[in-house]
Amino acid sequence: AQRVTQPEKLLSVFKGAPVELKCNYSYSGSPELFWYVQYSRQRLQLLLRHISRESIKGFTADLNKGETSFHLKKPFAQEEDSAMYYCALSPNFGNEKLTFGTGTRLTIIP
Amino acid sequence: DAGVTQSPTHLIKTRGQQVTLRCSPKSGHDTVSWYQQALGQGPQFIFQYYEEEERQRGNFPDRFSGHQFPNYSSELNVNALLLGDSALYLCASSLGPIMSPLHFGNGTRLTVT
Repeated sequence: AQRVTQPEKLLSVFKGAPVELKCNYSYSGSPELFWYVQYSRQRLQLLLRHISRESIKGFTADLNKGETSFHLKKPFAQEEDSAMYYCALSPNFGNEKLTFGTGTRLTIIP
Repeated sequence: DAGVTQSPTHLIKTRGQQVTLRCSPKSGHDTVSWYQQALGQGPQFIFQYYEEEERQRGNFPDRFSGHQFPNYSSELNVNALLLGDSALYLCASSLGPIMSPLHFGNGTRLTVT
């Protein structure tokens, strides 16, 4: 069975400081990993996915198969980064049958 | 483009009743997935519909069923409601069942009393 763990329910970071949201997963195969974000009063939306290897809004995430992690990082936090962040895993190549973590609420302190 | 639309936004039902939730996908999308999000939890996959067929299913009992119509819209039906079915039900659409990013709706908040 697949599982996604986000150990921090809440994370507060000062503006301009680095941000790291942790995500660990368990799955026996080669999963696809995603980060979804929900800003206040907005719907859940895709932030980035491993296969794209993009940097979105300054965020990056590296898949570490040895540590089974997919941590989300940003070098300098901005106030507009305050949101709920969910890490998700798909057992296949695409976006099928996603398993989500419980989410981390990130608050950027001005 | 209105994006993914879900109706109703809120719903209150009594234990044992049946409920139908509706979803219209984003324009151009042909695949609909349903997720259940309990309070304080991440979304949990229920099933995915593509070409009017249930293509994938999560770990939910048969009380949860769905349908996709020729216009790609979808319904989620839950029979014999339990208190534990109280949750936010999210619909997500995509272009094709695999590679295209999911676009989520705002959800339907179901309360079972």
